[in-house]
Amino acid sequence: EVQLVESGGGLVRPGESLRLSCAASGFSFSSYSMTWVRQAPGKGLEWVSSVDSGDSSRDYADSVKGRFTISRDNVENSLYLQMNNLRAEDTALYYCARDKSYYDVLTGFQTYHFDSWGQGILVTVSS
Amino acid sequence: QSALAQPASVSGSPGQSITISCAGTSTDVGAYADVSWYQQYPGKAPKVIIYAVTKRPSGISNRFSGSKSGTTASLTISGLQAEDEADYYCSSYTSSSTWVFGGGTKLTVL
Repeated sequence: EVQLVESGGGLVRPGESLRLSCAASGFSFSSYSMTWVRQAPGKGLEWVSSVDSGDSSRDYADSVKGRFTISRDNVENSLYLQMNNLRAEDTALYYCARDKSYYDVLTGFQTYHFDSWGQGILVTVSS
Repeated sequence: QSALAQPASVSGSPGQSITISCAGTSTDVGAYADVSWYQQYPGKAPKVIIYAVTKRPSGISNRFSGSKSGTTASLTISGLQAEDEADYYCSSYTSSSTWVFGGGTKLTVL
């Protein structure tokens, strides 16, 4: 069974840093791209960042670019999100998710979607 | 990276069909087959119910179906049931190598 367990959240002041972790089990972690998605209280989902299986390609939402860094440890089966210079608007529940690929033999297209999600970890940025 | 446009709310009676639209642009929904839909109950993590525009994961009812026309994707739920009351989000890959979600639609079963 695929399991993703986030940790590392908490209450911090604006400008401070926090490092989130996501422990993966039940699948071959090193074979999958991984993603962080966040959800502000009472709001919708927002994609934050994704990293490929080999940690060689990383993408970020404009709202966090330059402040957040995604990384992974394929030996420890863990995904990380280093969050620096945190702002009030970063307050959210942060989910880690697995990127699952699907190859359509009829069209030749390979697509991705987020097929497994953790339970989320709350990050609160407030003075 | 503007969010995809979804209606804030839709409603229907049990047994009816409803459709939730997801309007994007030529650089996201219109350009890629990486369009998926997620169902989220209050206090729970999202769950994928449609991927690759039209595909259903194992275990998802065939009452859920997806489609796309141009830059707009749609999720249709037929034979509405009380348990379908939830928030629904669409998502698409973009030409900037990022992902974008819709603003979410709250489905109320009357």
